[in-house]
Amino acid sequence: AQSVSQHNHHVILSEAASLELGCNYSYGGTVNLFWYVQYPGQHLQLLLKYFSGDPLVKGIKGFEAEFIKSKFSFNLRKPSVQWSDTAEYFCAVNSGGYNKLIFGAGTRLAVHP
Amino acid sequence: NAGVTQTPKFRVLKTGQSMTLLCAQDMNHEYMYWYRQDPGMGLRLIHYSVGEGTTAKGEVPDGYNVSRLKKQNFLLGLESAAPSQTSVYFCATTGRIVSGANVLTFGAGSRLTVL
Repeated sequence: AQSVSQHNHHVILSEAASLELGCNYSYGGTVNLFWYVQYPGQHLQLLLKYFSGDPLVKGIKGFEAEFIKSKFSFNLRKPSVQWSDTAEYFCAVNSGGYNKLIFGAGTRLAVHP
Repeated sequence: NAGVTQTPKFRVLKTGQSMTLLCAQDMNHEYMYWYRQDPGMGLRLIHYSVGEGTTAKGEVPDGYNVSRLKKQNFLLGLESAAPSQTSVYFCATTGRIVSGANVLTFGAGSRLTVL
């Protein structure tokens, strides 16, 4: 079965620190990859996505992710985090029909001022 | 998120009770999904629908039933609630997939507690 692994369950950073959240998936075929964010008390919102083309994808709020096919990875990065980035981040992969997404367990990020 | 509305937002049930969660969308989307979110487990797909009158099982369908009698509505039912079904339930939708994949639009969630 396909799976998505997010290695960091909780991350605590100070403002202006750099962020990298790991995501690995198990499916070896063509994949579509996503990062969603859930701010406290809110629903999931799309941060960025990779469908094809340039493996370095830029999303909203200064986030970016790099698709490395050989490593089955899609890590999320931000050079300088802000307090408002405090949220839970989910990596997801869609590799089957009907757009069904497989989500990772999530990484809870806390940014201290 | 005005496009996908979930009701109710909160509900407390006793073990054995039944209830229905409603997901309504006004975006004319073909595909609809029900996920549950549990701490440390991310979101897991319960059931999904690719069009009016069709439903299919996801990763964790046991204990749940669904119906899609109208294109805009996707109902999730619990016939006999169990404490293990305490969770936050999210509905998501997307339009017909032309190629590759689409981005899902999520509802605000429904928090269900089963005592």
